[in-house]
Amino acid sequence: EVQLVESGGGLVQPGGSLRLSCAASGFTFSNYAMCWVRQAPGKGLEWVSVVSGSDGSTYYADSVRGRFTISRDNSKNTLYLQMSSLRAEDTAVYYCAKRGTVTTFYYMDVWGKGTTVTVSS
Amino acid sequence: EIVLTQSPATLSLSPGERATLSCRASQSLSSYLAWYQQKPGQAPRLLIYDASNRATGIPARFSGSGSGTDFTLTISSLEPEDFAAYYCQNRSNWPTFGGGTKVEIK
Repeated sequence: EVQLVESGGGLVQPGGSLRLSCAASGFTFSNYAMCWVRQAPGKGLEWVSVVSGSDGSTYYADSVRGRFTISRDNSKNTLYLQMSSLRAEDTAVYYCAKRGTVTTFYYMDVWGKGTTVTVSS
Repeated sequence: EIVLTQSPATLSLSPGERATLSCRASQSLSSYLAWYQQKPGQAPRLLIYDASNRATGIPARFSGSGSGTDFTLTISSLEPEDFAAYYCQNRSNWPTFGGGTKVEIK
């Protein structure tokens, strides 16, 4: 069974840092691009970042570029999101998602259950 | 940046009725648009990709259409489990999501 399990969320003060992890299983992790998508309380979905499976290329939303870093460890089948200089507006559920292959390459076909990040003093 | 505008924000319908959801893009997407379903407290699920292709395991009552800037998700006959929020997303290395349409029970 294909599965993604996020961890690392919690309460952090403004200006602080946090690292999220996403453990993948049930598929060949290194073959797929992986994303982070967030959802603020009561709001819609916002794409955050993606890292390719092949060459490690990374892309970021303007709202997090320069503050967040996406990375992956293919030997551990794990995706990471290092978040720094956190702001109240970063408060959200953070989902890890797998991108598809060939016809669904740019779409997210498997999602984790999410981990909650709260930025507050 | 491509802006996706979904309408209506809320759709109130009864089980068995037909639901028609709209997603309009600020510039042409060709056929490169997806639809996701999200139930309360759950992660999103991919329904439709490239405007009209159902993802694996998605029932035939869900269909997508459109190209260019105007896209539609149709649920032919609402089942109780279909009452949820729906989001569109463009195909890009910097994707955006629409603001969502909530389909609620009338």
